[in-house]
Amino acid sequence: DAGVIQSPRHEVTEMGQEVTLRCKLISGHNSLFWYRQTMMRGLELLIYFNNNVPIDDSGMPEDRFSAKMPNASFSTLKIQPSEPRDSAVYFCASSLIVKRSAEAFFGQGTRLTVV
Amino acid sequence: AQSVTQPDIHITVSEGASLELRCNYSYGATPYLFWYVQSPGQGLQLLLKYFSGDTLVQGIKGFEAEFKRSQSSFNLRKPSVHWSDAAEYFCAVRSGYKYIFGTGTRLKVLA
Repeated sequence: DAGVIQSPRHEVTEMGQEVTLRCKLISGHNSLFWYRQTMMRGLELLIYFNNNVPIDDSGMPEDRFSAKMPNASFSTLKIQPSEPRDSAVYFCASSLIVKRSAEAFFGQGTRLTVV
Repeated sequence: AQSVTQPDIHITVSEGASLELRCNYSYGATPYLFWYVQSPGQGLQLLLKYFSGDTLVQGIKGFEAEFKRSQSSFNLRKPSVHWSDAAEYFCAVRSGYKYIFGTGTRLKVLA
């Protein structure tokens, strides 16, 4: 398996533009997490999906952020409009939560810079 | 609330020296504990995990960790550090579906 695949790896955009980050889960996994990593706040959980359904979006900073999971293997995180304070590394991770010992498998991240 | 504390933000060791990274957790029930490593520009890679059984767990790259319930700790160790071990290390506890991460320890290795 190729692991969790994120695209793009790097994104530079101007303030006010829409940004879409993409994530392909590991085949057979049923849970999807979006995290944001910054120096100031570390790793923050933004949203969690289980079986394509959003279970916990309490970490989504504001309405400018939205996430979807149109099928069992793919997810998007959209920021519209983007702001400089959204600059961070965004990770998605997948897991098979039914296993008690399941770990989360992380993608390589998308480094977002909003100028 | 569940939490993970990594008290050391930075650690510097010489190549060949032993290493111990500290992790303390706060969790009511039996915890599921993880150590991840993040190399620059990369995602997090699992080093090892504990969920039951033997309290000393072996991981990849020669790392091991010991679960001590009485101390609420899950410290990561390596007997001899290699220059390629320079990275950031994260301890995490799984609480339900959530993985709660510590703030990380950045390891620097001196030649």
